Amino acid sequence: DIQMTQSPASLSASLGETVTIECRASEDIYSNLAWYQQKPGNSPQLLIYDANSLADGVPSRFSGSGSGTQYSLKINSLQSEDVASYFCQQYNNYLTFGSGTKLEIK
Amino acid sequence: VQLVESGGGLVQPGKSLKLSCSASGFTFSSYGMHWIRQAPGKGLDWVAYISSSSGTVYADAVKGRFTISRDNAKNTLYLQLNSLKSEDTAIYYCARIPRRVSWYFDYWGQGVMVTVSS
Repeated sequence: DIQMTQSPASLSASLGETVTIECRASEDIYSNLAWYQQKPGNSPQLLIYDANSLADGVPSRFSGSGSGTQYSLKINSLQSEDVASYFCQQYNNYLTFGSGTKLEIK
Repeated sequence: VQLVESGGGLVQPGKSLKLSCSASGFTFSSYGMHWIRQAPGKGLDWVAYISSSSGTVYADAVKGRFTISRDNAKNTLYLQLNSLKSEDTAIYYCARIPRRVSWYFDYWGQGVMVTVSS
């Protein structure tokens, strides 16, 4: 099974700041990686797929990058509505999720 | 696109439950579907997959106890949960994959709570 190590587990940042969340796979996942946002009490929503493709309707301040085993999600100009948990997910071999990052506003 | 789960509730260990996911707004029969669960305050765990042609795959934790199925005439996805354990307590989401060979999820239901407790 492919393990996904996500960091940090929690993050506090100020409005307008840029934040980065990382995911490391236990083996090469060939950019078969998605990122999701889950606001409290809601189901996850797709942000990024294929490591760097923005899902429909997602603001351009969200971006994904990476290759091989290392991937990241960047949020530019942090806004209050970005308070949520963020999960990465590999789909190169079945699928596994990262443990999540809880983002709060400082 | 809308996915609406139902059928959750409180059930005793060892008992059974059947979840449903009603789909609308797209051609249900053309898409693979998954069940994913989330224990309270925890992360996401994949449960099961069914292809558009009803081929199935299960996570090891539920293999032999859970059965995923679909009724394309009713635009409905199902998950039969048998021999339930306390560790099956979670919100269960149905989700759609946009591409057969890429198991990421473009639409999720709102989730249904399953609590396994005596």
